[in-house]
Amino acid sequence: DSGVTQTPKHLITATGQRVTLRCSPRSGDLSVYWYQQSLDQGLQFLIQYYNGEERAKGNILERFSAQQFPDLHSELNLSSLELGDSALYFCASSVATTGGPYEQYFGPGTRLTVT
Amino acid sequence: AQSVAQPEDQVNVAEGNPLTVKCTYSVSGNPYLFWYVQYPNRGLQFLLKYITGDNLVKGSYGFEAEFNKSQTSFHLKKPSALVSDSALYFCAVRDIKAGTALIFGKGTTLSVSS
Repeated sequence: DSGVTQTPKHLITATGQRVTLRCSPRSGDLSVYWYQQSLDQGLQFLIQYYNGEERAKGNILERFSAQQFPDLHSELNLSSLELGDSALYFCASSVATTGGPYEQYFGPGTRLTVT
Repeated sequence: AQSVAQPEDQVNVAEGNPLTVKCTYSVSGNPYLFWYVQYPNRGLQFLLKYITGDNLVKGSYGFEAEFNKSQTSFHLKKPSALVSDSALYFCAVRDIKAGTALIFGKGTTLSVSS
């Protein structure tokens, strides 16, 4: 158990809908990352937050957004969902965002299926 | 552009034999390299990392990795494979253009037969 929790484990929704994925980082970790894992794209970095502020963006679509709250949990919002958004979404956390490099600890993921 | 490549989709090895999972990288500057393992329906687990210094890095579960700057490689190794080592292995490099995010290879499936 990495100490990173993600809810829900599974999510099935229809095209055009909006969903929210939730992540709680390991105790003491200030940095949260979101990754998408799909068969065709592999593991891709979406976005990073550090202590409530956005720090880096990867291949994140404009339909997707995220935030990190004062208690350090993070939410990834996916809207206007398309079939191609079906994937496994991972949250990871690490102790910091500068220096290091610090390893990231991954949650179990949320499997999103868009029908 | 920074990248990592895992040239083998699958590696098959018999239990008790040594294993190697290959990774090559392309980065500007000093590379920060990682290995992760993913078991079915689980998240990624950190195995080891290379920052600087000793080219042989020891990690979890008896794994080690050899950093070779001239060959731009960071191969994962284990002297004696276990059936329980069967999983999907990812090599990753820190993306210096995106904070401390990681760029992952496509993964290599390791299958250890008894």
